[in-house]
Parts: sequence; structure tokens; C-alpha cells
Amino acid sequence: KAGVTQTPRYLIKTRGQQVTLSCSPISGHRSVSWYQQTPGQGLQFLFEYFSETQRNKGNFPGRFSGRQFSNSRSEMNVSTLELGDSALYLCASSLGIDGYTFGSGTRLTVV
Amino acid sequence: KNEVEQSPQNLTAQEGEFITINCSYSVGISALHWLQQHPGGGIVSLFMLSSGKKKHGRLIATINIQEKHSSLHITASHPRDSAVYICAVMDSNYQLIWGAGTKLIIKP
Repeated sequence: KAGVTQTPRYLIKTRGQQVTLSCSPISGHRSVSWYQQTPGQGLQFLFEYFSETQRNKGNFPGRFSGRQFSNSRSEMNVSTLELGDSALYLCASSLGIDGYTFGSGTRLTVV
Repeated sequence: KNEVEQSPQNLTAQEGEFITINCSYSVGISALHWLQQHPGGGIVSLFMLSSGKKKHGRLIATINIQEKHSSLHITASHPRDSAVYICAVMDSNYQLIWGAGTKLIIKP
């Protein structure tokens, strides 16, 4: 089966811009979670969507938002980018009973 | 105090050694995950446990719900096992709480 697909793989943006990242889960998986990984903070939970509804949200400012479409694909948006937003953004999909499958991530660099 | 504690933080061993990584947690959980992250960022889910023991190849994961403790074992370790191993627990709100990870280096 196809894995979790994240696009783009790499992205460079300037401060103040906004960015949209995409995640296509494994077919049939209705839960999509987003994580930020930085060297200093490790892996941090951003939010989780299930059947187009945000089920959980981590402790990130309102500049970080997301949504999920009816086909379970999810997008994450970050507005007014800051240098500290440079990170690897990981998406994971889950059926619930068999754990998580992670995408390869999008490496965002803010300059 | 972190809700999920892993030990050790760093581990260097020789090829062939038996490896144990520990994870203790302080919250009520519905499941515990062990994940592997290689340089470059890719994360692979190794196990999801809610009780007992699971085995996959040279990897064994155990969990003791009463003691709130889990271990990941690697038998006959190999340099390709070098990675960061992460323990994460799922709480009652379906949120994953991550451990800080254990960086494992296996020398040939």
C-alpha cells in the first residue's frame, strides 16, 4: 500500500511569508496528526484531525492552523513565518489499531 | 518532570551486543509506541503496545502497565540499528506524548 505522502519535501521561505504543507494519508486512514521537530525542542504535537474535525491541538500559536478534507488529505498552514519556525514537519496517519505511519516530512527553512 | 522519560539518552555499543532502552511514563495511557528515526528525519513506527510483549525480527518490546514502564530490546545489534529510538504514549485524549529519544550508535 502507498505510504503517507508529504509535499513538498523541502521549502525555503522568508520571514513574514506564509506556507502551506500537504499530507496525504494512507488510504482508509481517517486520522492525520502533525508534528514539529526541531533540534532544541524535539518532537512536538501540533494537531490531529479525524474525519475533517480537529480532535486535538498542541500548544502552538494561532499562526499554525490546519484542516482536513473529505478524502482525509490534510493541510497545515503557518502564517507570518518566523525564523524559529524552521523545522522538520512530520505528518502521520493512523487507523487507530495498528499504530502510526509517518511521512518523510517537509523540511522548512525560514530565512 | 516530563510525563515520558527515556533512558539512556545516548547509548554506544559494539555490534552483536544486546541492547535495552527503557521508557517510564506517569500518565494514564491507552497505548505506547516505539518509533525509530534515522538521520534525515524519517520515522518508522516499530511497535504499538497496550499490554504484554511484541516481537518483530530482532526487536522485542515489553510493557508493564502496573509499573508504567516499557522496554525496547534489540538482539544481535548491527550498525544499521543506529538511530534515535523514541517512546511515545497515547493519553486519554488521543494525544501522543513523546519521550526525548535515545540515540543509539552500534559500532562494527
